[in-house]
Amino acid sequence: RKEVEQDPGPFNVPEGATVAFNCTYSNSASQSFFWYRQDCRKEPKLLMSVYSSGNEDGRFTAQLNRASQYISLLIRDSKLSDSATYLCVVNMGSKIIFGKGTRLHILP
Amino acid sequence: EAGVAQSPRYKIIEKRQSVAFWCNPISGHATLYWYQQILGQGPKLLIQFQNNGVVDDSQLPKDRFSAERLKGVDSTLKIQPAKLEDSAVYLCASSLAGYNEQFFGPGTRLTVL
Repeated sequence: RKEVEQDPGPFNVPEGATVAFNCTYSNSASQSFFWYRQDCRKEPKLLMSVYSSGNEDGRFTAQLNRASQYISLLIRDSKLSDSATYLCVVNMGSKIIFGKGTRLHILP
Repeated sequence: EAGVAQSPRYKIIEKRQSVAFWCNPISGHATLYWYQQILGQGPKLLIQFQNNGVVDDSQLPKDRFSAERLKGVDSTLKIQPAKLEDSAVYLCASSLAGYNEQFFGPGTRLTVL
């Protein structure tokens, strides 16, 4: 099993729809989790941290399921500007692992 | 607030040549990271510094890659000699501490011919 796995997509979603991604991780001792967004030919930027109790920031909701070892990102009322690659990041204490990313295309 | 600075932005070299990249992190950030991002993949951590000490270099190909952060501020990453498979974007990031949000620089796009 890979240390951090994401569905590469692409997810082609009509504007206004809701879309969700999951990211699984192999190390049960992982300590912190993040979602980063990366636009084409740009550097990654933090979208949100993922807390054990789940957290919401506007249209974005992140959740952590330690029992099943995955984190999720939900985007509601998607906008054209949400088109990007979404990277899952897991801090395993001894090392930081980025997933390969999930590509999202919002269609007009 | 100034972000993470990297130079050069682009570099084209032939295989077996040497190349060096420079990174200046956000002022006050103790932790500095170098990542390699190959097209279509997520960033892979090469090395992590805490001030001027190495925290993790387990994925750094030490036979050809080296990095230093002598004064605990800016850092250089060197490849000597370069191989074709080193073609990638090299990203530098910094954070206040190891568990905090990382801020990335614009990256250096390396092409090895």
